[in-house]
Amino acid sequence: DQQVKQNSPSLSVQEGRISILNCDYTNSMFDYFLWYKKYPAEGPTFLISISSIKDKNEDGRFTVFLNKSAKHLSLHIVPSQPGDSAVYFCAAMVGGSYIPTFGRGTSLIVHP
Amino acid sequence: DTGVSQDPRHKITKRGQNVTFRCDPISEHNRLYWYRQTLGQGPEFLTYFQNEAQLEKSRLLSDRFSAERPKGSFSTLEIQRTEQGDSAMYLCASSSTNQQFFGPGTRLTVL
Repeated sequence: DQQVKQNSPSLSVQEGRISILNCDYTNSMFDYFLWYKKYPAEGPTFLISISSIKDKNEDGRFTVFLNKSAKHLSLHIVPSQPGDSAVYFCAAMVGGSYIPTFGRGTSLIVHP
Repeated sequence: DTGVSQDPRHKITKRGQNVTFRCDPISEHNRLYWYRQTLGQGPEFLTYFQNEAQLEKSRLLSDRFSAERPKGSFSTLEIQRTEQGDSAMYLCASSSTNQQFFGPGTRLTVL
C-alpha cells in the first residue's frame, strides 16, 4: 500500500507555462515533505521542502503548496524551462524519523 | 568533488554470486542511507546509519542483504547469493538535516 502517491506518471508542458505536479499521502503522521528532481543516470537532487506548520514555501521559480486536510501537496514551476525536464519525486516523512517515503515519480517534459 | 560517491557505477554478476557496493558520503554528514530503486518506482528505503550505528535495518529486503559503516565514514552494502530479482539501482544518500544528498547510484544486473 503506497503511502505517498503521484498519480500522474508523466506531464507535458510548453516552455514558459506553469507546471503543476501533484502528490497525495495517506499517513497523517507525515509532517515534513520534500520534492526531488532526477535526471537520467544521476541520483535525485533536493529541490524544495515544506513543514506541516506551513501551507506554502517558495524558492525562485518553485513553489510547494500543502493542504493538510486533503493530505495533498503540489509543486508549481513557473515559468517552466526545457532544463526542468526530469523525473520529480515527492517524499514525506515523520519528523524526527529521518526516513522519507517516496512516491513513484512524475516525468515532466517541457517543450521548447 | 565533495558530493556523495558510489563505487562501482555498474555491476554485472551471475546469480548466486556475492556483491559489495561502497558509498562515500559528504564528510560532515552523520547520517547515511541506502535505497533500492527499480524501474518506474521511487527510491525504496533499505537502511540507515547515524555515525557508525545502524538505526534501522528492518526494511532490508532479506537476510541476504547487510550493510556496514565501521568508522562512521564510508559504508558498504553487501548482497549475498544474488538473485535476478535483485537487479536494480542501489542509491546511497547522506544528510545532516532532513535534506538528503544522493549519490549517482550503482546499477546491478544479475544474470
